[in-house]
Amino acid sequence: DSGVTQTPKHLITATGQRVTLRCSPRSGDLSVYWYQQSLDQGLQFLIQYYNGEERAKGNILERFSAQQFPDLHSELNLSSLELGDSALYFCASSPQPGPNEKLFFGSGTQLSVL
Amino acid sequence: SQQGEEDPQALSIQEGENATMNCSYKTSINNLQWYRQNSGRGLVHLILIRSNEREKHSGRLRVTLDTSKKSSSLLITASRAADTASYFCATDAPSGGSYIPTFGRGTSLIVHP
Repeated sequence: DSGVTQTPKHLITATGQRVTLRCSPRSGDLSVYWYQQSLDQGLQFLIQYYNGEERAKGNILERFSAQQFPDLHSELNLSSLELGDSALYFCASSPQPGPNEKLFFGSGTQLSVL
Repeated sequence: SQQGEEDPQALSIQEGENATMNCSYKTSINNLQWYRQNSGRGLVHLILIRSNEREKHSGRLRVTLDTSKKSSSLLITASRAADTASYFCATDAPSGGSYIPTFGRGTSLIVHP
């Protein structure tokens, strides 16, 4: 058990809908990362937060947004969903955002857009 | 875009054999990490090697790093069926003052009992 909790584990929805994925980082970790994993794109970095502030942005679509709350949990919001958004979404955490930090991953949320 | 790329994409071996996976990357790095992912599960950190290190060991794992060739290898000795998983290398890509582990597509390892 990594200590990172992601909910829900599975999500099935329709195109055009909006969903929210939730992540609770490991106790004491201030930095949260969101990744998307799909067969064709591999593991893609979406966005990073550190102590409530956005720290780095990757290949995140404008239809997607995220935030980290004062209690350090994070939410990833996906809107106007398309079939291609179907993927496994991972949250990871680390104590700090710097180099040489290893990431602790949650079990992921499997999103299926029908 | 991927920074690191693993090779081979898939590897199938018998229990007891050694498994070697390679990772190549494009730009200079502070460190390189290897992660393991069991099917449909989250990634688990295996080992981190810094750019000034050439070799590191952890149990049955041996990682080498050649910064001149921008490549790394992960060796799993005396493999077990339980080692069946996907293995990813990750390099830290600087992004706006932060360092983001950027992953390759992984090597799928199957160890036959």
